[in-house]
Amino acid sequence: DTAVSQTPKYLVTQMGNDKSIKCEQNLGHDTMYWYKQDSKKFLKIMFSYNNKELIINETVPNRFSPKSPDKAHLNLHINSLELGDSAVYFCASTLTAWNTEAFFGQGTRLTVV
Amino acid sequence: DQQVKQNSPSLSVQEGRISILNCDYTNSMFDYFLWYKKYPAEGPTFLISISSIKDKNEDGRFTVFLNKSAKHLSLHIVPSQPGDSAVYFCAARGSGAGSYQLTFGKGTKLSVIP
Repeated sequence: DTAVSQTPKYLVTQMGNDKSIKCEQNLGHDTMYWYKQDSKKFLKIMFSYNNKELIINETVPNRFSPKSPDKAHLNLHINSLELGDSAVYFCASTLTAWNTEAFFGQGTRLTVV
Repeated sequence: DQQVKQNSPSLSVQEGRISILNCDYTNSMFDYFLWYKKYPAEGPTFLISISSIKDKNEDGRFTVFLNKSAKHLSLHIVPSQPGDSAVYFCAARGSGAGSYQLTFGKGTKLSVIP
């Protein structure tokens, strides 16, 4: 029974398309995150939601729009995909916004061609 | 602007020996440090942490050492086992508006040779 699950695991798409990645956690955590791991291997935070409210919004193009329908779900929608968006995207959750022991999903490898 | 640096991209160690993974940071406001372990095709998993008020934290075969004056921490694994082969990420906690935020290093790939 996966704690943090994200779908799809792999996503190959053409430039200019719009795509979504879904994330769900069954841990009862209040806070969820999207991280991006780029080609240089850095794991960088993109967004964080606490009880469905956006609390961290790093410098990310506005083509990226997170949506949290409830505190167990945090989806990431990306418009007009560009080659530079190719990366592995990780969803994560923590018990509260003041916890740092995060539980990560398995990642979604996005390839834009 | 790398606030958390792991300067060794890879490390190979013989099974049974000690593995030492290093991490340096530049931001003196970081107050808590964590190590995450990542296997291929999986997400990172939390391994061990240390508060800035301590200089050592031990959990089984894993020990993290913190040298605040040098802004340096290290993860020791003794004895190393083949199952420890993974990428290890160092992370540091800072405070944002309404939450903590983690800054990660690039990771060090540890290979434990049987």
